[in-house]
Formats: sequence, structure tokens, C-alpha cells
Amino acid sequence: KNQVEQSPQSLIILEGKNCTLQCNYTVSPFSNLRWYKQDTGRGPVSLTIMTFSENTKSNGRYTATLDADTKQSSLHITASQLSDSASYICVVSDRGSTLGRLYFGRGTQLTVWP
Amino acid sequence: EADIYQTPRYLVIGTGKKITLECSQTMGHDKMYWYQQDPGMELHLIHYSYGVNSTEKGDLSSESTVSRIRTEHFPLTLESARPSHTSQYLCASSVRQNGNEKLFFGSGTQLSVL
Repeated sequence: KNQVEQSPQSLIILEGKNCTLQCNYTVSPFSNLRWYKQDTGRGPVSLTIMTFSENTKSNGRYTATLDADTKQSSLHITASQLSDSASYICVVSDRGSTLGRLYFGRGTQLTVWP
Repeated sequence: EADIYQTPRYLVIGTGKKITLECSQTMGHDKMYWYQQDPGMELHLIHYSYGVNSTEKGDLSSESTVSRIRTEHFPLTLESARPSHTSQYLCASSVRQNGNEKLFFGSGTQLSVL
């Protein structure tokens, strides 16, 4: 069964600290892996998209890594800010069609305290 | 910044009412989607469209219907709302960039059926 599992479910850190969120998937075949940030009451916003051949991609203070062999990804946030408080969702796409099937994780709820 | 708009942002209605959730995008994207999301849970695809006059059911069984008469407009209709329809509904559109479909989400409609 194709699944995307994220950990931890929730995380609280102090402003200025770094953190790492994890994503494990069993989706096969694999096309790409995406990380989204979803603020409370808003739609998700894309942070990174990585294909099979990419093992790291950065977007400002966000750095995503991908190990396609172990089917694991991580999202590292550096020097956290209060505005980083949000849900971070891992999404994996298969190669079933040109549209692709998207498998969503349940997200990690990050809270940054001052 | 995505140019995709959903109205209303919040809606509280009584059981049995007919409602239409509006979604419009000004980016000229052919592909559009409706997702349903409950708190702390993953997004589930309920409808999608490849373009004008194209509509398909998604992975999650839904009693809603959609139409695509114009490229920019993808409304979702519930003929008779029930409390089980209480959820957040997210509209999205996508475009192919660098070999991947990049998704742009609206801010969502939070529906509460009493």
C-alpha cells in the first residue's frame, strides 16, 4: 500500500533554533517528492520539489534531502522564526500518468516560541 | 504568490441546504483540483479537471459535483449538505514546470454543516 508517514506529529522549538522533520514513504513507482508549508486556515505553499536524481534542494532557510534508496526525506529549518510556525506536509508523486498520483502525509505541526 | 481564489472563506449552513463553493484562477492553468482536508489529516482528492468540459472523480468518494465551463472557474456544489460534509475544502491548479506539475492552492473554504 502506497503511504507517506511523517514524524514527529508535532514539534515545539525556540526561536533561532534549528529543526529537522522526517518523511518516510512506500510509494512506488516514484516520480518526485514535495514539501509544502501550510499556515493555519490557509492552503499549502510549495517549498521544494525533488526528483529521483536530486538528493538535496534548498529554498532560503529550508533544506530538503532525499534518499531514494531508503525512501526517506527530511526537511531542515535553520535559524527558525516565529513565522515558521505551520504544518509541513510531505507529498510523494508516482509515475502512474502524466498527471501523477499525489500521496499526502498528515504533516508535522511546528510551533516556534519566542 | 498564487492567483487562485476561493469564496467564501467560511460558511456555516443548515442540513439540507444546497451550496456552491467558488474557485477561480487567473494563471490560465488547464488542470484544476478539489481537495478535502480534516484537522490533522492528509488531503484527499475529490475532483479534478484536465480542462474545459473535463471533470473526473478523485480518490475520495464525495457527494459533491463540479463543473468546468470556463478555464478559470471550477465551482464545487453540494445539492444537500449534511453534517458529515463539515470539512475544509481546498481548490488548486497546476502547471508543468521543469518536468513536474507544480500545484498552487487557494486559501480554502471552511464548511460547517449544522
